[in-house]
Amino acid sequence: QKEVEQNSGPLSVPEGAIASLNCTYSDRGSQSFFWYRQYSGKSPELIMSIYSNGDKEDGRFTAQLNKASQYVSLLIRDSQPSDSATYLCAVKNTGKLIFGQGTTLQVKP
Amino acid sequence: EAGVTQFPSHSVIEKGQTVTLRCDPISGHDNLYWYRRVMGKEIKFLLHFVKESKQDESGMPNNRFLAERTGGTYSTLKVQPAELEDSGVYFCASSEQPGQGDNEQFFGPGTRLTVL
Repeated sequence: QKEVEQNSGPLSVPEGAIASLNCTYSDRGSQSFFWYRQYSGKSPELIMSIYSNGDKEDGRFTAQLNKASQYVSLLIRDSQPSDSATYLCAVKNTGKLIFGQGTTLQVKP
Repeated sequence: EAGVTQFPSHSVIEKGQTVTLRCDPISGHDNLYWYRRVMGKEIKFLLHFVKESKQDESGMPNNRFLAERTGGTYSTLKVQPAELEDSGVYFCASSEQPGQGDNEQFFGPGTRLTVL
């Protein structure tokens, strides 16, 4: 079992819809969780961090954390074509980040 | 404020040659990390510096890889001799606070290494 798992997609949503990206992790002791966005050929860009159970909202983005279920999600409201990218879930483990493979999101105009 | 920078952006070398990658972290960031993404796989941790000290080098694949951070500023990652399986994108990241707090890591643009 991989330490951090994501569905590789692609996840295709129409413009204006809500995109829901999911991630599960195996280390129950993990405390810090991050979502990065990566455009093709570019560096991962941090978009959200979450440390406590529940929801955290930042603009059109909402991160959700459920430590009991070992589950992290990212919701993107009012999806735009510019949101089309690979979204990487990362879990911090003793300082280093453990990444999932990423989910490719396609937002169709 | 300048972000994390890496040099070169691309490197194509032959098997057996040596390559040195450089990373300049965000100014004032004590933590510096190296990661690698090989084709089709997830980004994987290589090592972590706190200032000039190696905090964690558990991800280094073998002794052909040598990382340094003299003076606690920029870092270099040398691969000698390079093998075909070393091809991939090497990312550097930095974060502000020492220790293992909830500090966020900011990534550089990466160096794409191709070993022929």
